[in-house]
Amino acid sequence: DSGVTQTPKHLITATGQRVTLRCSPRSGDLSVYWYQQSLDQGLQFLIQYYNGEERAKGNILERFSAQQFPDLHSELNLSSLELGDSALYFCASSVAAVYSHGEQFFGPGTRLTVL
Amino acid sequence: KNQVEQSPQSLIILEGKNCTLQCNYTVSPFSNLRWYKQDTGRGPVSLTIMTFSENTKSNGRYTATLDADTKQSSLHITASQLSDSASYICVVSQGGFKTIFGAGTRLFVKA
Repeated sequence: DSGVTQTPKHLITATGQRVTLRCSPRSGDLSVYWYQQSLDQGLQFLIQYYNGEERAKGNILERFSAQQFPDLHSELNLSSLELGDSALYFCASSVAAVYSHGEQFFGPGTRLTVL
Repeated sequence: KNQVEQSPQSLIILEGKNCTLQCNYTVSPFSNLRWYKQDTGRGPVSLTIMTFSENTKSNGRYTATLDADTKQSSLHITASQLSDSASYICVVSQGGFKTIFGAGTRLFVKA
């Protein structure tokens, strides 16, 4: 158990809908990272927040947005969902503000299925 | 172009055998290289992290090597077990916020 929690575990929705994925980092970690992993694809970095502020942006679509709240939990909002958005979404956390400077701990993921 | 390439794409070995997974990168500048193990449907778990000055790092039956001159890394698994069946992901950081993920090697260990 990494100490990172994600909810829900599974989510099934229809095209055009909007969903929110939630992540709670390990105690003491200030950075939260979001990743997308499509079937048989590698991990794609989406976005990073550090202590409530956006820190780095990866391949995140404009339909997707995220935020980190004062209690450090984070939410990833996916809107106007398309079939191709079906994937595993992982959250990771670290103490460091910069990815290269420390260990990242991954949550168990949320499996999103768009029908 | 900054890339991380892993080989083989997939590998099947018998339980108890050793195997070596490869990671070649063209990332520059280089900060560190990590190997992760990812069980199917689960989040990745860090195995090793190596900086420029380290050329070997072990974590139990897993030993990673790094040749910063040739920009190659390998992950050696000794005396494989069924629980080693997973994807192994090589990740290279440039420093700062730039990180490049490899596509992974899928390892199947058969009894």
